[in-house]
Amino acid sequence: GAGVSQSPSNKVTEKGKDVELRCDPISGHTALYWYRQSLGQGLEFLIYFQGNSAPDKSGLPSDRFSAERTGGSVSTLTIQRTQQEDSAVYLCASSVSSGGTQYFGPGTRLTVL
Amino acid sequence: ELKVEQNPLFLSMQEGKNYTIYCNYSTTSDRLYWYRQDPGKSLESLFVLLSNGAVKQEGRLMASLDTKARLSTLHITAAVHDLSATYFCAVVGNSGGSNYKLTFGKGTLLTVNP
Repeated sequence: GAGVSQSPSNKVTEKGKDVELRCDPISGHTALYWYRQSLGQGLEFLIYFQGNSAPDKSGLPSDRFSAERTGGSVSTLTIQRTQQEDSAVYLCASSVSSGGTQYFGPGTRLTVL
Repeated sequence: ELKVEQNPLFLSMQEGKNYTIYCNYSTTSDRLYWYRQDPGKSLESLFVLLSNGAVKQEGRLMASLDTKARLSTLHITAAVHDLSATYFCAVVGNSGGSNYKLTFGKGTLLTVNP
């Protein structure tokens, strides 16, 4: 595709439910990143993938958060037992290789009621 | 821990005026990026600065990097309304092999008034 795509664009869920957020990186980009943007915390790094491996998960805020990447392409960020403080915009980015310029997707706005 | 500070956080300016946004960071870095974000939209890459003294220009925006001072500036020349957006600087640290993790400033909300 022409750019990074994410789905859904908006997600409203009830506290305690699980959610899955999807990211389709730019074709051929080996590196993929998840960030979170919230009013209180700004933009925060969550996790980095090189191929299907995640060598850096240091930004995941709790064990309720997990992510995977398959086929060196699509990635899914899963949040279990959502809490209100999980409400934020979740941004995915990809780059040709680790350390390259990161191109961001449009984000998924998650609202936990 | 790498920290990135931007100032000002809010900037209201008139069309035609010049102004500078500052980005300071706390440790040595491989690279510094400037991104633009329009309301409800994602981040658009503007510039990547790789070395001391680097200067990049695109239209009315010019970015520079002083690695010794750990300072980058984004200079706006003769502002126009279309430049209204939030501007972020982001720094990649070069310690511990994490040459991919972007640490962002809080952003500068720029409003250009007619």
